[in-house]
Amino acid sequence: DVKVTQSSRYLVKRTGEKVFLECVQDMDHENMFWYRQDPGLGLRLIYFSYDVKMKEKGDIPEGYSVSREKKERFSLILESASTNQTSMYLCASSLAGTGEQETQYFGPGTRLLVL
Amino acid sequence: GQNIDQPTEMTATEGAIVQINCTYQTSGFNGLFWYQQHAGEAPTFLSYNVLDGLEEKGRFSSFLSRSKGYSYLLLKELQMKDSASYLCAVGSNDYKLSFGAGTTVTVRA
Repeated sequence: DVKVTQSSRYLVKRTGEKVFLECVQDMDHENMFWYRQDPGLGLRLIYFSYDVKMKEKGDIPEGYSVSREKKERFSLILESASTNQTSMYLCASSLAGTGEQETQYFGPGTRLLVL
Repeated sequence: GQNIDQPTEMTATEGAIVQINCTYQTSGFNGLFWYQQHAGEAPTFLSYNVLDGLEEKGRFSSFLSRSKGYSYLLLKELQMKDSASYLCAVGSNDYKLSFGAGTTVTVRA
């Protein structure tokens, strides 16, 4: 089974703090993704990566950056956390193929509260 | 871009059938995915359709009509554990999936 893990289930930070969210997958997947999920808005893509050291902006990259130094690990960084970044953050991974190989497998999520 | 629409909420009785519709308008299409997400948990993959027609997997079936930009997820013999949010997502040949906002299904005894 694909396993995607995230470093924290719950996180409370203060405005202006630098926040690191870590994601690790154990299935040798090429692609990794960071989403945020808010009520009524669904899943919105922040950044994704299709290879080590490669990254692409998603739909809402402002205020975020990412790092992928190793294939299995994809980090999301909030340089200066703001209250509007309070959300559920979900990491996912998938193979590099097309069609059903694009199936994404999700981690358990990190619920971030910025005070 | 992608525009994916699905109803916000549905309620049904245990043992009944519920059909969740999803319509999409996309600039590219490489398959349609359905995910299930229980409250506070991660989405889990349910089904994938790329050809027109019905795919059946036990109590769950998924249908696709590419010409109409339409899919549905059919949940039969509803159980209380089926209470969850169901997400429709479209793949578009660029590794990314575009997700609908999700349909929350509540199963009542």
